[in-house]
Parts: sequence; C-alpha cells; structure tokens
Amino acid sequence: GQQLNQSPQSMFIQEGEDVSMNCTSSSIFNTWLWYKQDPGEGPVLLIALYKAGELTSNGRLTAQFGITRKDSFLNISASIPSDVGIYFCAGVGYGGSQGNLIFGKGTKLSVKP
Amino acid sequence: ETGVTQTPRHLVMGMTNKKSLKCEQHLGHNAMYWYKQSAKKPLELMFVYSLEERVENNSVPSRFSPECPNSSHLFLHLHTLQPEDSALYLCASSQLLLAGGYNEQFFGPGTRLTVL
Repeated sequence: GQQLNQSPQSMFIQEGEDVSMNCTSSSIFNTWLWYKQDPGEGPVLLIALYKAGELTSNGRLTAQFGITRKDSFLNISASIPSDVGIYFCAGVGYGGSQGNLIFGKGTKLSVKP
Repeated sequence: ETGVTQTPRHLVMGMTNKKSLKCEQHLGHNAMYWYKQSAKKPLELMFVYSLEERVENNSVPSRFSPECPNSSHLFLHLHTLQPEDSALYLCASSQLLLAGGYNEQFFGPGTRLTVL
C-alpha cells in the first residue's frame, strides 16, 4: 500500500533557528497536508497543498507540494518554544476514497530556549 | 462547544469490560472518521462514515464496533479488548465535495485508552 517516509524522526534545535522537514513517497499524491500535534491533543491542520509546485505560507510556516507529486516539505522559520510538538505530513492519493488519508510517522520537534 | 469534541479524554478498562467512546462534531460536516494512534506508528484509519453510512473499514477487529446515528455523532463501542489496543483514539470530521475532491479533516483531542 501507499506509504509516506517522513524525516527527520526528531529534531533538537535552539530557539531562533530555522527548521526543515520533508515527506517522500513512491506513490503520487494529489493533496498534501501538514498537521501539528501538541501533547494530549489531536492533530491540527497547519497547511494544505492541492497543486504540484504550490508553495504556501502560514505565518512562519512554509510548505511546498513537490513537482513530482511524490514529496512535500515544511519549513519553520525563527523557531520559538511553542513550536514544540509532533509534525505530521499526510497525503491523499489518486483514486482514493475520501478516507484514504495516509500519514507519515511524524517529526518530533524540541526547541531549547 | 466548537470543533470536534471527544469523551472521555481518558479511559482505563479491563479486558472483559464494555465501554464506548463518543465523538461529536459542531462543524456541519458530513463525514466522520476513527483513527488509532500508537507510539512510533503512523496514524491508522479505522473507520470512515460518509453521510452516516460506513464506507470504509480497514480490517479492524470486530471487538471495535462503530456507530454513526447522525452526521454529528460517532461512537466506538469497545468489547473484550486486548492490552495491545491501548492507544490514543482520534475522531475526525470533514466535508465531502459532491463533485469529488477532498476537504481537510479536523481532529478531536482524542481518548487515551489503557487496557489492563
């Protein structure tokens, strides 16, 4: 079945540093989503991408839908302590049902003040 | 209440107990989902309900039984669970597009389930 490879698995950075994480797949996706999950909470949607090559920003967050439709990255600029959490990529493949949302394993971000 | 709510937030049960998880969405969506989140694993889709009908069941054991009485409510009935079923159970909702296509799923806070 379709799988997403998300990397890195975890990151430990200093406050103020920029962060980059990505997801790749051997399958084509027609939608890429990035979620953040805080401890004890459900994932919250950060950015949604619908077109190959699309670059979208949400505050300090920027995400891109890869041209090949098989990858996406998320950048966080000037990290702050509240950026701590687990970031998940998710993709919806062609021909999939509405429920066919495939998740990566997540990138756990730790920020040192 | 706004968004997607789930109750209880925490549940501890024995293997012979019967319990139910409840999810309610206040977003006017017409599709609801149950996911299982275990440590070091990707989110696993368990069930999908679209317009109150189950449209997808990803080979989930029968000890998990979903119920969707209306478009705003979703239940997950639990019976004779195993310790490996301990996980965070997340509910989500979305709006289906009749012309096809996908709308983002919005998640509840989850129920942390521990099976002893």
